[in-house]
Amino acid sequence: AQTVTQSQPEMSVQEAETVTLSCTYDTSESDYYLFWYKQPPSRQMILVIRQEAYKQQNATENRFSVNFQKAAKSFSLKISDSQLGDAAMYFCAYRVSLLSGGGADGLTFGKGTHLIIQP
Amino acid sequence: NAGVMQNPRHLVRRRGQEARLRCSPMKGHSHVYWYRQLPEEGLKFMVYLQKENIIDESGMPKERFSAEFPKEGPSILRIQQVVRGDSAAYFCASSPLGGTYNEQFFGPGTRLTVL
Repeated sequence: AQTVTQSQPEMSVQEAETVTLSCTYDTSESDYYLFWYKQPPSRQMILVIRQEAYKQQNATENRFSVNFQKAAKSFSLKISDSQLGDAAMYFCAYRVSLLSGGGADGLTFGKGTHLIIQP
Repeated sequence: NAGVMQNPRHLVRRRGQEARLRCSPMKGHSHVYWYRQLPEEGLKFMVYLQKENIIDESGMPKERFSAEFPKEGPSILRIQQVVRGDSAAYFCASSPLGGTYNEQFFGPGTRLTVL
């Protein structure tokens, strides 16, 4: 079974600084997708960034980028120039690729990291 | 294009009552997923449905929980004889048919409180 581990229950960063959130996962699959979701106090789940495992290039979306280390099964999220609106719970998630003939199409989530932005 | 709709947003039930949670996927989406989020936890996959079919219910508790996605109307997650441990936020997500990675778009969730 796949598992996703986020070892940092809470992180704090000064506004405008850079912060990195950690995520590791365990899988026997070779083809899969990884995601970072943001959950603000409204509880709405918002997709921040995604990475296809077969792509070596790290995904980037504006101030958000990932460091994907497939061999180490690590998928960290870097937030540059942190803003007050970035304060939220951040969840790392995994899904096996449909092309791999995976069974469940459900996402497997980590327990989350609470990100605090200090003004 | 409206997003994924869930109602009610908040639901209070007494122990032993039934809870019905509704999810209307985004227009054009034929895949629906239900997740449960317990306090201080991440989301846990419950069930994956397509129109009139349950594709994967490996995350559903064996008793009291059921889900459907009829040909017409919203998807329903039904919890019979609720207990305090069912108190949680229940999220629905939808995705379109096809595509390479089928991004799941989440609704705002229903917070169930069992008294």
